[in-house]
Amino acid sequence: QQQVKQSPQSLIVQKGGISIINCAYENTAFDYFPWYQQFPGKGPALLIAIRPDVSEKKEGRFTISFNKSAKQFSLHIMDSQPGDSATYFCAASFTGSGSARQLTFGSGTQLTVLP
Amino acid sequence: ETGVTQTPRHLVMGMTNKKSLKCEQHLGHNAMYWYKQSAKKPLELMFVYSLEERVENNSVPSRFSPECPNSSHLFLHLHTLQPEDSALYLCASSHYLNQPQHFGDGTRLSIL
Repeated sequence: QQQVKQSPQSLIVQKGGISIINCAYENTAFDYFPWYQQFPGKGPALLIAIRPDVSEKKEGRFTISFNKSAKQFSLHIMDSQPGDSATYFCAASFTGSGSARQLTFGSGTQLTVLP
Repeated sequence: ETGVTQTPRHLVMGMTNKKSLKCEQHLGHNAMYWYKQSAKKPLELMFVYSLEERVENNSVPSRFSPECPNSSHLFLHLHTLQPEDSALYLCASSHYLNQPQHFGDGTRLSIL
């Protein structure tokens, strides 16, 4: 099963609040879990990524939490700002020797942070 | 100029036209990718090239024909497209096949 399920589809948060986006996967061979941020008219940009050997990774206001047993991972945006308003995609992939990192993407979450 | 550049940014074409999308990367990467992004759907990987050799072709209709003349340039040739092919087409590149991918801003394609 290659699918990555992402929720919610849309999210509205007040400025200063915490935004939480969740993803779940089935394929236990996945070994790389990135999050991408996409602004209107722009391509996705890598935001933060995690490997399954750690349960949490933090970069500034962005944190990935990873639960290997539940096959779930989530993005937390602390102190959300209007400039964080964008579409966020989770993804998962695995690589064999010499093979392409085929990213399987979630369907995206449109985040709106109200001023 | 840096990053991944895609041209044109917008393209409107009839179902019988032939056109090409262009992607150029200035990152010194060795792998390049084409993705299709449709509204409210996950990004779909179409093709992967590594060192100008196609290594992945994810069951894409033959009306889409990729070309990678060198590691910096990638084309997607289009012919006899269908209305359901209207989407944002994204190009990406990475240093090697298993490294993080950097995306261009896409070509918005509309099929009349």
